[in-house]
Amino acid sequence: EDQVTQSPEALRLQEGESSSLNCSYTVSGLRGLFWYRQDPGKGPEFLFTLYSAGEEKEKERLKATLTKKESFLHITAPKPEDSATYLCAVQATLGSDMRFGAGTRLTVKP
Amino acid sequence: ETGVTQSPTHLIKTRGQQVTLRCSSQSGHNTVSWYQQALGQGPQFIFQYYREEENGRGNFPPRFSGLQFPNYSSELNVNALELDDSALYLCATSKGSDTQYFGPGTRLTVL
Repeated sequence: EDQVTQSPEALRLQEGESSSLNCSYTVSGLRGLFWYRQDPGKGPEFLFTLYSAGEEKEKERLKATLTKKESFLHITAPKPEDSATYLCAVQATLGSDMRFGAGTRLTVKP
Repeated sequence: ETGVTQSPTHLIKTRGQQVTLRCSSQSGHNTVSWYQQALGQGPQFIFQYYREEENGRGNFPPRFSGLQFPNYSSELNVNALELDDSALYLCATSKGSDTQYFGPGTRLTVL
């Protein structure tokens, strides 16, 4: 069965303190790995799609990387507005659904 | 902001009642997926519709049903509501199996 595990569950950073969020996955053939950002009470906002090991994508202070077993979301010099829950999901080549992890709740203090 | 809209924003029902949630698709998207998100958890896949046909279903009972219309908008119906059905219901639209874009969600509370 496809599984996604995110760590840590919660992360508190000072503004400017860089860190990484981890997403470990098992899937029977990866179609894509997705990162979303979710603010409280709102729908997830799309960040990145990664398709194959070795792929990297960047957007502002965020950079996502992918290996055959895990993905990292690196946050460089975060700001308070980066505070949110970050969700990772995988989609198998055979299947229509996305399997989500429980998320990492990031808090950035000024 | 995506072009995906959901209604209503919030809803309060009592156990045993029925509810219908609605989702309007982003322009050009022919696929809609529905998810249930409990507090502190990631979204869980309910089902997906592609060109008005169910195209996959998660581990949810038959009292969860759906429809997709010719304009690709969609409805999620839940019968015989239970307390555990209280959650944020999300729809996400896509072009086929491409990246899914989420709406703002409907918060359902069952008393």
